[in-house]
Amino acid sequence: AQSVTQLGSHVSVSEGALVLLRCNYSSSVPPYLFWYVQYPNQGLQLLLKYTSAATLVKGINGFEAEFKKSETSFHLTKPSAHMSDAAEYFCAVSDGDAGNMLTFGGGTRLMVKP
Amino acid sequence: DGGITQSPKYLFRKEGQNVTLSCEQNLNHDAMYWYRQDPGQGLRLIYYSQIVNDFQKGDIAEGYSVSREKKESFPLTVTSAQKNPTAFYLCASSIAVRGRTEAFFGQGTRLTVV
Repeated sequence: AQSVTQLGSHVSVSEGALVLLRCNYSSSVPPYLFWYVQYPNQGLQLLLKYTSAATLVKGINGFEAEFKKSETSFHLTKPSAHMSDAAEYFCAVSDGDAGNMLTFGGGTRLMVKP
Repeated sequence: DGGITQSPKYLFRKEGQNVTLSCEQNLNHDAMYWYRQDPGQGLRLIYYSQIVNDFQKGDIAEGYSVSREKKESFPLTVTSAQKNPTAFYLCASSIAVRGRTEAFFGQGTRLTVV
């Protein structure tokens, strides 16, 4: 079985500052990892995914994440925050043995201050 | 455009009533899922289906029921046995391969018990 831990349920940054959202996972098999974004009262939208190709993954809206096996981490970063980045972000891991089922972290709400 | 349609967006239910949430997809995906989202608790899996006429319980299936009579449709019924049904419900679908592909989400249905 796999699990995901997102450190920090709320993160606040100033506009233009670096965004760093943390995700650590545990999995008994090589993981597939995903970051999703959710705006208020909407569904989840995929930002990026890691599927065992390049360890540095680039996504939409300027976000990227790096898979670090030794640290069991998949942190999400963006060099410069924009007001429109304010949303909730979810990290998820997939258990390949059980089919395409995602286990989600508890989410991190990103707030961007002007 | 291909995607997942959930309806209604808002739903109010009196205590003791069953209600059915609709989920339709035109992505030709084999797998479909229902998640429940509560503040601060991330997403929890209610039911999933990997193929027509087959479905499995997720982590919190008690008080819910589903059917999968067509590939495109995966309705969720919230029964009167669900003690705390007020939540945001998300439907998702994916290609039924092992772990590599992402899930696509609908816009959600917010259910409120009045």
